[in-house]
Amino acid sequence: SAVISQKPSRDICQRGTSLTIQCQVDSQVTMMFWYRQQPGQSLTLIATANQGSEATYESGFVIDKFPISRPNLTFSTLTVSNMSPEDSSIYLCSVEVDSGTPNEQFFGPGTRLTVL
Amino acid sequence: SQKIEQNSEALNIQEGKTATLTCNYTNYSPAYLQWYRQDPGRGPVFLLLIRENEKEKRKERLKVTFDTTLKQSLFHITASQPADSATYLCALGANFGNEKLTFGTGTRLTIIP
Repeated sequence: SAVISQKPSRDICQRGTSLTIQCQVDSQVTMMFWYRQQPGQSLTLIATANQGSEATYESGFVIDKFPISRPNLTFSTLTVSNMSPEDSSIYLCSVEVDSGTPNEQFFGPGTRLTVL
Repeated sequence: SQKIEQNSEALNIQEGKTATLTCNYTNYSPAYLQWYRQDPGRGPVFLLLIRENEKEKRKERLKVTFDTTLKQSLFHITASQPADSATYLCALGANFGNEKLTFGTGTRLTIIP
């Protein structure tokens, strides 16, 4: 299994600013994912972040808006840039444990973002 | 486009009864399907994985079926308890090795004492 922490747990931000969300894992993992969960909606994958390579973004998400860093096997950041109220959402990171059940993902507690 | 639908946004079940949740998908040929539980203010927690060539999987009071002809999965909780109250999400994977998951909208289950 994996224990994942995220910082901040929540934030209220002004339009036009940026917020960086941190994701820390208690073990080394190759696969790391960032999701968005808008109110009343399901999880939507933003990007896959593997250490040592550029993040792979899903359709509708671009690097300029959601830059991601993956400096090592236990840490990643997601930045939400030039925020607007439409970016208000819960942002979650998840990992797939290398030695665990294939394709089982462990999720962090999420970061609740409100943009005014 | 790919679409995953879970029955009713909310489901209320009497304690002790079996809760049955449905996950239907279209325009998708998943290699496997997963079920997750999500409590308020928390991230989803993995429950079960069932592969396309498996009909049924069990884990304690949980049972999952997978019908690739109907393009449907059923998730059963037997002898339901108030502690089972949560939102349940199904997620589909295209193939093993491609770990990307596509999630359904979730069903909020409430077990009434």
